[in-house]
Amino acid sequence: DVKVTQSSRYLVKRTGEKVFLECVQDMDHENMFWYRQDPGLGLRLIYFSYDVKMKEKGDIPEGYSVSREKKERFSLILESASTNQTSMYLCASSSLPTVTYEQYFGPGTRLTVT
Amino acid sequence: AQTVTQSQPEMSVQEAETVTLSCTYDTSESDYYLFWYKQPPSRQMILVIRQEAYKQQNATENRFSVNFQKAAKSFSLKISDSQLGDAAMYFCAYRSNFNKFYFGSGTKLNVKP
Repeated sequence: DVKVTQSSRYLVKRTGEKVFLECVQDMDHENMFWYRQDPGLGLRLIYFSYDVKMKEKGDIPEGYSVSREKKERFSLILESASTNQTSMYLCASSSLPTVTYEQYFGPGTRLTVT
Repeated sequence: AQTVTQSQPEMSVQEAETVTLSCTYDTSESDYYLFWYKQPPSRQMILVIRQEAYKQQNATENRFSVNFQKAAKSFSLKISDSQLGDAAMYFCAYRSNFNKFYFGSGTKLNVKP
């Protein structure tokens, strides 16, 4: 079974803090994604990576950065957390379309910024 | 850019009955993939069913089936014999040729005993 894990289920941070969200997948997937999920808005893509050290901006990259130093690990960084970044953050991974088509999701991190 | 629309924020169904969740999408691509994901309360998002756009036959997985209308850009999910465990948020998703995924805003399904 594909397993995608996220470092924390719940996180509370203060405004201005630097926040790291970690995601690890164990299926040697090429692609990894970070989304934020907000009620009524569905999932919105923040960043994705299709290879080590490669990244591309999604639809809402402002205020976020990412790092992918190893194939299995994809980190989301909030440089200076703000209250409007309070949300559920979901990590996902997928392989090449010739192998599997769908994304596999982690359990999510619910981040509260106070 | 591709967009995915789920026009039903919330739906309810009686246990053992059938319910259909709607999804429409907008794209200029001819080859793509469509998915329905289920997110139970406080639990991980999991794949329910997928459909390759080049296949005319509608996908089926046990009690779950889709009605894929490529020309109309419509991709609805039918759940037959609804069970209490089907209660969840359901998201329709589109995978483009560039490996990007686009999600709808979700439909919350309530199942009444």
